[in-house]
Amino acid sequence: AIQMTQSPSSLSASVGDRVTITCRASRGIRNDLGWYQQKPGKAPKLLIYGSFTLQAGVPSRFSGSGTGTDFTLTISSLQPEDFATYYCLQDYNYPYTFGQGTKLEIK
Amino acid sequence: EVQLLESGGGLVQPGGSLTLSCVASGFSFNNYAMSWVRQAPGKGLEWVSAISAGADNTFYADYVEGRFTISRDIPKNTVYLQMNSLRAEDTAMYYCAKREKGDRDSWGGYYYAFDIWGRGTMVTVSS
Repeated sequence: AIQMTQSPSSLSASVGDRVTITCRASRGIRNDLGWYQQKPGKAPKLLIYGSFTLQAGVPSRFSGSGTGTDFTLTISSLQPEDFATYYCLQDYNYPYTFGQGTKLEIK
Repeated sequence: EVQLLESGGGLVQPGGSLTLSCVASGFSFNNYAMSWVRQAPGKGLEWVSAISAGADNTFYADYVEGRFTISRDIPKNTVYLQMNSLRAEDTAMYYCAKREKGDRDSWGGYYYAFDIWGRGTMVTVSS
């Protein structure tokens, strides 16, 4: 199975900050990577698919990049509602695998 | 409204069995692959299993292969997860998710993603 290594595992930031989360695949997955946001007690929410395509309704402050093995999620200017846990997911082949998650906390 | 509603969770003893259901509404269920994803208390997300739109292909994570079986009943708009030989480490919230087809990719195919999720059903394996 493809291993997804996500970093950092946690991150403290302030409203208005620019933050970056990274995921590295153990082998090439083209652009078959999605980013999901999860808030406590809630189901995950799709933010980005295909490495860089913003899901409908997701604010443009979220962006994704990368191809092959290295991928990045960037939030350009943190808003209060963005404090949550973020996961990458490779859907290049089965078994699909998630990164370990990044908990984004208020500084 | 597009919706997924899971049910069937509960408390079960180690070695026991449980069947989860996920009822879909608001979209053409027979056109979409479906997956189960779980999350142990305080832990991250784990993909568990998937079934193709026509139910002709199924896929499993290594940690459930041979113990769990995914299936779907198209007239009932329902996907199931039959779980046997349950272990303490299977304790988790189980979510079902719809796999949506997105834009075309650069390799002649399409991008996919889980665009709709249910609220989950909790499974606790304990004596």
